[in-house]
Amino acid sequence: AQSVSQHNHHVILSEAASLELGCNYSYGGTVNLFWYVQYPGQHLQLLLKYFSGDPLVKGIKGFEAEFIKSKFSFNLRKPSVQWSDTAEYFCAVNPDSWGKLQFGAGTQVVVTP
Amino acid sequence: DADVTQTPRNRITKTGKRIMLECSQTKGHDRMYWYRQDPGLGLQLIYYSFDVKDINKGEISDGYSVSRQAQAKFSLSLESAIPNQTALYFCATSDLEGLQFFGPGTRLTVL
Repeated sequence: AQSVSQHNHHVILSEAASLELGCNYSYGGTVNLFWYVQYPGQHLQLLLKYFSGDPLVKGIKGFEAEFIKSKFSFNLRKPSVQWSDTAEYFCAVNPDSWGKLQFGAGTQVVVTP
Repeated sequence: DADVTQTPRNRITKTGKRIMLECSQTKGHDRMYWYRQDPGLGLQLIYYSFDVKDINKGEISDGYSVSRQAQAKFSLSLESAIPNQTALYFCATSDLEGLQFFGPGTRLTVL
């Protein structure tokens, strides 16, 4: 079955550490890719998106993601995390350009002071 | 003001009761969605609507129904609630590029 896979369910790291969250998808053809963040008790907010063009995408709050078509991957990175980055992160794929998103299971990130 | 609003924000109900969750949006989008979120499962699509006359089932529509009363309103109903429908429910809208905007969520507990 076609799917979106996030490699880690839980990540714990210290402030100033680097973060990389993996995301792979199994849809063929052209896809739109997204990373959403959900802070504790809040709704999902868009971090960044990729539709076309430069495969290295910069988002809000210092996050970036790299689209590697040959690997069907869209990994999220941040060079130096802060305590306020504690949240759940969701990768999502729009595989058919009709607005329906397929979400990964999410990665819970905890940043310790 | 929030672009996508949901009411109620929290609801506790009993098995067998009928529940309606409401969603309103001011973004002017034709496309609206209902998702449920369960720990470790991400978001699963329940129903979606691409315009007022269009309703489609998502991955997990059993036990749910929807009504698209207007472009701005999309309601989700549980005809006879059961405990495994306890979850966090999100409404969303999207633009034509597929960028989705989420409401604040409704936490539903079915006892």
